[in-house]
Amino acid sequence: GNSVTQMEGPVTLSEEAFLTINCTYTATGYPSLFWYVQYPGEGLQLLLKATKADDKGSNKGFEATYRKETTSFHLEKGSVQVSDSAVYFCALTETSYDKVIFGPGTSLSVIP
Amino acid sequence: NAGVTQTPKFRILKIGQSMTLQCAQDMNHNYMYWYRQDPGMGLKLIYYSVGAGITDKGEVPNGYNVSRSTTEDFPLRLELAAPSQTSVYFCASSYSRTVDTGELFFGEGSRLTVL
Repeated sequence: GNSVTQMEGPVTLSEEAFLTINCTYTATGYPSLFWYVQYPGEGLQLLLKATKADDKGSNKGFEATYRKETTSFHLEKGSVQVSDSAVYFCALTETSYDKVIFGPGTSLSVIP
Repeated sequence: NAGVTQTPKFRILKIGQSMTLQCAQDMNHNYMYWYRQDPGMGLKLIYYSVGAGITDKGEVPNGYNVSRSTTEDFPLRLELAAPSQTSVYFCASSYSRTVDTGELFFGEGSRLTVL
């Protein structure tokens, strides 16, 4: 079945460092891909999305490109801030039925 | 602008007790979902609903029940609570099929402990 794999955390970075969180997926058909973010004590919220191959999603300085050839959707940010400390979830939509499949999440801590 | 509201935020249950987690949304969304989040496991779909009067099972429905009598409300019922149901529960909604837009709106979560 469809699934999402993410790099294991936790990830700890210094402020202004470059961030990459790897995400790969297995899917039939052509899913849409998403990154959700969960700040401490809150629910998840959509960070960015891409709906077809080679699309780039971006928001709040974060970017991810839908790579069909490598089945990947890696999240990047050029300079992280303490306020980016959160858990990041990669996700995809099932094309055969109406559901969102989430990866296990990657915890990010940014230290001053 | 309330969005998705869940109650209670925290609850401790004894084994065998029952309870209902409440979820309400004020965005007139047809689609609503219940997920559970376990450490290192991501989110697993318990039940979902595509409109009032229609519900369906997700990946992990055993031990739970839902109803959808109105567009706004989607309560999750736990019967005969077990320690394996200790988790954080999230309710979510969307205004269209997620295969079309993918955007889910989440509540703040309900942390349940079964002892």
